[in-house]
Amino acid sequence: AQTVTQSQPEMSVQEAETVTLSCTYDTSENNYYLFWYKQPPSRQMILVIRQEAYKQQNATENRFSVNFQKAAKSFSLKISDSQLGDTAMYFCAFMWSNYQLIWGAGTKLIIKP
Amino acid sequence: GAVVSQHPSWVICKSGTSVKIECRSLDFQATTMFWYRQFPKQSLMLMATSNEGSKATYEQGVEKDKFLINHASLTLSTLTVTSAHPEDSSFYICSASLSAAGEYATNEKLFFGSGTQLSVL
Repeated sequence: AQTVTQSQPEMSVQEAETVTLSCTYDTSENNYYLFWYKQPPSRQMILVIRQEAYKQQNATENRFSVNFQKAAKSFSLKISDSQLGDTAMYFCAFMWSNYQLIWGAGTKLIIKP
Repeated sequence: GAVVSQHPSWVICKSGTSVKIECRSLDFQATTMFWYRQFPKQSLMLMATSNEGSKATYEQGVEKDKFLINHASLTLSTLTVTSAHPEDSSFYICSASLSAAGEYATNEKLFFGSGTQLSVL
């Protein structure tokens, strides 16, 4: 069975700092997707970044980038130049061909002014 | 980008009544829709998966007769909480996929509704 583990329940950094959120997963699948979603206080789920397992290049989206280590089954999210608006719950998620998302428990990220 | 509209955003009802939540894909045809439940400060829990025109597949522990899911068209799925009780109070979220479950699309994304907070008195 697929599992996703986020070992950091909460993190707090100063505005403009860089922060890395950890995520590990377990699967026997070879083709799959990995996602980071952000859930701000509005509770709308917002896609931050996605990675396809067959791509070796790490995905980047502006200030957000991932460190995808397929062999180690690790998928961390780095947020550079953090902003107050980045304060939210961040969920790591795994998806394979049936399109069901397996969610991590989430990391609450607080950006302090 | 694709938009999923979920309605209502919040609802308060009396115990014993039924509540219907709608999830619409506004600018694309959603072959597969998912319904999640989220408790405070917790992750999303998948309740069921529905493909247009077929019966929903429920996750273990989710009562089919209590949480009725209908996916009658490619743009609309509904979740009806029947005979709601206070323990059904929760945040419910839908998501929609362009592709059918079982296929592998190279650019697959899921689109989420904005959620419905259900409070049963």
